[in-house]
Amino acid sequence: AQSVTQPDIHITVSEGASLELRCNYSYGATPYLFWYVQSPGQGLQLLLKYFSGDTLVQGIKGFEAEFKRSQSSFNLRKPSVHWSDAAEYFCAVGAESGGYQKVTFGIGTKLQVIP
Amino acid sequence: DVKVTQSSRYLVKRTGEKVFLECVQDMDHENMFWYRQDPGLGLRLIYFSYDVKMKEKGDIPEGYSVSREKKERFSLILESASTNQTSMYLCASSRDRALNFGPGTRLTVT
Repeated sequence: AQSVTQPDIHITVSEGASLELRCNYSYGATPYLFWYVQSPGQGLQLLLKYFSGDTLVQGIKGFEAEFKRSQSSFNLRKPSVHWSDAAEYFCAVGAESGGYQKVTFGIGTKLQVIP
Repeated sequence: DVKVTQSSRYLVKRTGEKVFLECVQDMDHENMFWYRQDPGLGLRLIYFSYDVKMKEKGDIPEGYSVSREKKERFSLILESASTNQTSMYLCASSRDRALNFGPGTRLTVT
Protein backbone atom coordinates (compact mmCIF):
# COMPACT_ATOMS: atom_id res chain seq x y z
CA ALA A 1 0.00 0.00 0.00
CA GLN A 2 1.18 3.50 -0.71
CA SER A 3 1.65 6.26 1.85
CA VAL A 4 2.61 9.92 1.95
CA THR A 5 4.49 11.90 4.57
CA GLN A 6 4.38 15.67 4.85
CA PRO A 7 6.73 16.37 7.74
CA ASP A 8 5.82 20.04 8.21
CA ILE A 9 2.35 20.71 9.58
CA HIS A 10 2.74 24.50 9.65
CA ILE A 11 5.15 26.74 7.77
CA THR A 12 5.43 30.52 7.98
CA VAL A 13 7.23 32.52 5.31
CA SER A 14 7.55 36.20 4.53
CA GLU A 15 5.93 37.56 1.41
CA GLY A 16 8.48 37.52 -1.40
CA ALA A 17 10.55 34.75 0.16
CA SER A 18 11.09 31.40 -1.49
CA LEU A 19 9.10 28.35 -0.43
CA GLU A 20 9.72 24.63 -0.33
CA LEU A 21 7.15 22.17 1.01
CA ARG A 22 8.39 18.66 1.61
CA CYS A 23 6.71 15.44 0.57
CA ASN A 24 7.97 11.87 0.82
CA TYR A 25 6.08 8.87 -0.47
CA SER A 26 6.24 5.14 -0.09
CA TYR A 27 5.31 2.91 -2.99
CA GLY A 28 6.92 -0.16 -4.55
CA ALA A 29 6.70 0.90 -8.17
CA THR A 30 6.75 4.24 -9.96
CA PRO A 31 3.89 6.24 -8.57
CA TYR A 32 2.05 9.15 -9.95
CA LEU A 33 2.19 12.20 -7.74
CA PHE A 34 0.14 15.32 -7.12
CA TRP A 35 0.10 18.54 -5.21
CA TYR A 36 -3.25 20.10 -4.31
CA VAL A 37 -4.06 23.40 -2.64
CA GLN A 38 -7.04 24.19 -0.45
CA SER A 39 -7.95 27.76 0.42
CA PRO A 40 -10.10 28.31 3.52
CA GLY A 41 -13.64 27.09 2.97
CA GLN A 42 -12.86 25.77 -0.49
CA GLY A 43 -12.43 22.41 -2.15
CA LEU A 44 -9.07 21.11 -3.36
CA GLN A 45 -7.51 22.48 -6.52
CA LEU A 46 -4.86 20.62 -8.49
CA LEU A 47 -1.56 22.53 -8.61
CA LEU A 48 0.49 20.03 -10.60
CA LYS A 49 0.95 16.36 -11.33
CA TYR A 50 3.72 13.94 -12.27
CA PHE A 51 3.05 10.80 -14.24
CA SER A 52 6.31 10.16 -16.09
CA GLY A 53 9.01 11.90 -18.11
CA ASP A 54 10.67 15.13 -17.05
CA THR A 55 11.15 15.05 -13.29
CA LEU A 56 10.71 18.82 -12.92
CA VAL A 57 7.04 19.63 -13.25
CA GLN A 58 5.54 23.07 -13.71
CA GLY A 59 2.15 23.86 -12.29
CA ILE A 60 -0.29 26.70 -11.92
CA LYS A 61 0.27 29.88 -9.88
CA GLY A 62 4.06 29.73 -10.38
CA PHE A 63 4.59 26.47 -8.49
CA GLU A 64 6.91 23.66 -9.51
CA ALA A 65 7.83 20.27 -8.05
CA GLU A 66 10.69 17.88 -8.57
CA PHE A 67 10.38 14.11 -8.49
CA LYS A 68 13.47 12.47 -6.98
CA ARG A 69 13.19 8.72 -7.15
CA SER A 70 16.34 8.10 -5.10
CA GLN A 71 14.90 10.11 -2.21
CA SER A 72 11.25 9.11 -2.72
CA SER A 73 10.42 12.78 -2.65
CA PHE A 74 8.23 15.23 -4.54
CA ASN A 75 8.88 18.63 -2.99
CA LEU A 76 6.88 21.68 -4.00
CA ARG A 77 8.66 24.98 -4.62
CA LYS A 78 7.90 28.58 -5.43
CA PRO A 79 10.60 31.24 -5.86
CA SER A 80 8.59 34.16 -4.44
CA VAL A 81 5.53 33.70 -2.25
CA HIS A 82 2.51 36.00 -2.47
CA TRP A 83 0.06 36.67 0.37
CA SER A 84 -2.63 34.87 -1.65
CA ASP A 85 -0.63 31.64 -1.43
CA ALA A 86 -1.66 31.26 2.22
CA ALA A 87 -3.56 27.98 2.20
CA GLU A 88 -3.21 24.31 3.02
CA TYR A 89 -1.19 22.15 0.65
CA PHE A 90 -1.64 18.43 0.18
CA CYS A 91 0.74 15.99 -1.46
CA ALA A 92 -0.81 12.81 -2.86
CA VAL A 93 0.42 9.57 -4.39
CA GLY A 94 -1.60 7.48 -6.80
CA ALA A 95 -1.32 3.89 -7.85
CA GLU A 96 -3.25 1.45 -9.95
CA SER A 97 -4.24 -1.88 -8.57
CA GLY A 98 -6.68 -4.44 -9.85
CA GLY A 99 -7.63 -2.20 -12.74
CA TYR A 100 -8.60 0.82 -10.68
CA GLN A 101 -6.78 3.74 -9.18
CA LYS A 102 -6.34 4.72 -5.58
CA VAL A 103 -5.01 8.08 -4.43
CA THR A 104 -3.61 8.56 -0.93
CA PHE A 105 -3.10 11.99 0.61
CA GLY A 106 -0.71 13.36 3.17
CA ILE A 107 -1.98 15.20 6.22
CA GLY A 108 -1.29 18.59 4.70
CA THR A 109 0.98 21.58 5.33
CA LYS A 110 -0.63 24.84 6.35
CA LEU A 111 1.20 27.83 4.89
CA GLN A 112 1.07 31.22 6.59
CA VAL A 113 2.42 34.23 4.72
CA ILE A 114 3.47 37.28 6.73
CA PRO A 115 4.02 40.78 5.34
CA ASP B 1 -13.66 22.40 -16.81
CA VAL B 2 -15.00 19.42 -14.91
CA LYS B 3 -17.64 20.37 -12.46
CA VAL B 4 -18.28 18.27 -9.37
CA THR B 5 -21.21 19.40 -7.28
CA GLN B 6 -22.28 18.28 -3.84
CA SER B 7 -25.84 18.61 -2.67
CA SER B 8 -25.15 20.61 0.49
CA ARG B 9 -22.33 22.80 1.76
CA TYR B 10 -23.46 22.48 5.39
CA LEU B 11 -25.58 19.83 7.04
CA VAL B 12 -26.62 19.25 10.64
CA LYS B 13 -28.07 15.88 11.62
CA ARG B 14 -28.94 14.10 14.82
CA THR B 15 -27.32 10.93 16.13
CA GLY B 16 -28.99 7.85 14.66
CA GLU B 17 -30.38 9.58 11.58
CA LYS B 18 -29.80 8.15 8.11
CA VAL B 19 -27.83 10.68 6.07
CA PHE B 20 -27.42 10.93 2.32
CA LEU B 21 -24.62 12.96 0.73
CA GLU B 22 -25.01 13.39 -2.99
CA CYS B 23 -22.33 14.07 -5.57
CA VAL B 24 -22.76 14.74 -9.28
CA GLN B 25 -20.10 15.20 -11.97
CA ASP B 26 -20.74 16.46 -15.48
CA MET B 27 -17.80 15.05 -17.46
CA ASP B 28 -18.67 11.39 -17.90
CA HIS B 29 -15.84 10.25 -15.62
CA GLU B 30 -15.64 6.57 -14.78
CA ASN B 31 -14.05 6.95 -11.36
CA MET B 32 -15.64 8.63 -8.38
CA PHE B 33 -14.44 8.90 -4.78
CA TRP B 34 -15.58 9.89 -1.32
CA TYR B 35 -13.04 11.24 1.19
CA ARG B 36 -13.43 12.68 4.63
CA GLN B 37 -11.13 15.44 5.82
CA ASP B 38 -10.24 15.97 9.47
CA PRO B 39 -7.65 18.33 11.00
CA GLY B 40 -4.35 16.58 11.51
CA LEU B 41 -5.46 13.53 9.54
CA GLY B 42 -5.63 14.89 6.01
CA LEU B 43 -7.96 13.23 3.53
CA ARG B 44 -8.92 9.62 4.07
CA LEU B 45 -10.60 7.51 1.42
CA ILE B 46 -13.98 6.08 2.42
CA TYR B 47 -15.24 4.44 -0.78
CA PHE B 48 -14.66 4.66 -4.48
CA SER B 49 -16.35 3.47 -7.63
CA TYR B 50 -14.89 2.77 -11.06
CA ASP B 51 -18.13 2.03 -12.86
CA VAL B 52 -21.88 2.12 -12.45
CA LYS B 53 -23.03 -0.26 -9.71
CA MET B 54 -19.40 -1.01 -8.81
CA LYS B 55 -17.90 0.03 -5.50
CA GLU B 56 -14.74 -0.62 -3.56
CA LYS B 57 -13.92 0.01 0.07
CA GLY B 58 -11.31 2.59 0.83
CA ASP B 59 -9.32 2.91 4.02
CA ILE B 60 -12.15 3.81 6.42
CA PRO B 61 -15.44 2.33 5.14
CA GLU B 62 -16.91 1.42 8.53
CA GLY B 63 -20.23 3.13 9.18
CA TYR B 64 -20.67 4.15 5.54
CA SER B 65 -22.14 2.73 2.37
CA VAL B 66 -22.38 4.07 -1.18
CA SER B 67 -24.60 3.89 -4.20
CA ARG B 68 -23.83 4.46 -7.85
CA GLU B 69 -26.89 3.85 -10.00
CA LYS B 70 -25.89 6.33 -12.71
CA LYS B 71 -22.45 7.20 -14.01
CA GLU B 72 -22.66 10.85 -13.02
CA ARG B 73 -23.95 10.35 -9.48
CA PHE B 74 -22.22 8.85 -6.45
CA SER B 75 -23.98 8.89 -3.10
CA LEU B 76 -22.50 8.41 0.35
CA ILE B 77 -24.83 7.01 2.99
CA LEU B 78 -24.43 7.12 6.73
CA GLU B 79 -26.81 4.40 7.88
CA SER B 80 -26.96 5.65 11.48
CA ALA B 81 -25.05 8.86 11.99
CA SER B 82 -22.76 9.14 14.99
CA THR B 83 -20.92 12.11 16.46
CA ASN B 84 -17.56 10.73 15.30
CA GLN B 85 -18.76 11.15 11.73
CA THR B 86 -18.78 14.92 12.13
CA SER B 87 -16.36 15.95 9.40
CA MET B 88 -15.84 17.56 6.01
CA TYR B 89 -16.81 15.19 3.21
CA LEU B 90 -15.22 15.64 -0.21
CA CYS B 91 -16.35 14.00 -3.42
CA ALA B 92 -14.07 13.68 -6.44
CA SER B 93 -14.13 12.26 -9.93
CA SER B 94 -11.39 11.32 -12.39
CA ARG B 95 -10.64 9.76 -15.74
CA ASP B 96 -6.93 10.39 -16.30
CA ARG B 97 -5.74 9.86 -12.71
CA ALA B 98 -5.99 13.49 -11.52
CA LEU B 99 -8.87 13.99 -9.10
CA ASN B 100 -11.37 16.80 -9.54
CA PHE B 101 -12.95 17.75 -6.24
CA GLY B 102 -16.28 19.19 -5.31
CA PRO B 103 -16.59 22.03 -2.76
CA GLY B 104 -17.24 19.67 0.16
CA THR B 105 -20.05 19.12 2.64
CA ARG B 106 -19.42 20.01 6.26
CA LEU B 107 -21.51 17.57 8.26
CA THR B 108 -22.19 18.05 11.95
CA VAL B 109 -23.80 15.23 13.91
CA THR B 110 -25.25 16.27 17.26
